[in-house]
Amino acid sequence: KQEVTQIPAALSVPEGENLVLNCSFTDSAIYNLQWFRQDPGKGLTSLLLIQSSQREQTSGRLNASLDKSSGRSTLYIAASQPGDSATYLCAVKDDYKLSFGAGTTVTVRA
Amino acid sequence: ETGVTQSPTHLIKTRGQQVTLRCSSQSGHNTVSWYQQALGQGPQFIFQYYREEENGRGNFPPRFSGLQFPNYSSELNVNALELDDSALYLCASSLAGRDEQYFGPGTRLTVT
Repeated sequence: KQEVTQIPAALSVPEGENLVLNCSFTDSAIYNLQWFRQDPGKGLTSLLLIQSSQREQTSGRLNASLDKSSGRSTLYIAASQPGDSATYLCAVKDDYKLSFGAGTTVTVRA
Repeated sequence: ETGVTQSPTHLIKTRGQQVTLRCSSQSGHNTVSWYQQALGQGPQFIFQYYREEENGRGNFPPRFSGLQFPNYSSELNVNALELDDSALYLCASSLAGRDEQYFGPGTRLTVT
């Protein structure tokens, strides 16, 4: 059974600081890994998707890396802003379903 | 392009009752997946429908059932509601053969 862990569970940083969010998974037989953003009480917004054959993916201030062999992914958010405050979830896809971590709740202080 | 929509947004039910949640997939998507997200946790996979057939199921009891219609919209039905069924229910659609799942805004179910 796939287990996905996200550390830390919560993070508070001053505006402008870079964010580093970690995700680990136990079974490396994945099709892809996806990072999502979730605002309180809302649905999931997809940020980045990394195919199992890729090492990283970038979109604007966001960069995600994937090391499938070690079961790890890292999401970097450069020059954080108060609008980046949210919960960030990683999910791995095996066959047909996504397995999620519990998320990292980020607070960016102005 | 229309995104994934879900209805209702919120509802409150009493223990033992039955509930139906609805999802309209993104235009062109023929696969719908349902997830349950308890407070403070990540979403848990319930089941997936592809062309009106159940394509996979997570660790949920049979009182959780679903349907997919010819237009690829979907329903999640939960019978004999329990307090622990209180959660945010998320629907996601995807194009079979593609990887990315697109999520709707969710339905918040409260069981009292």
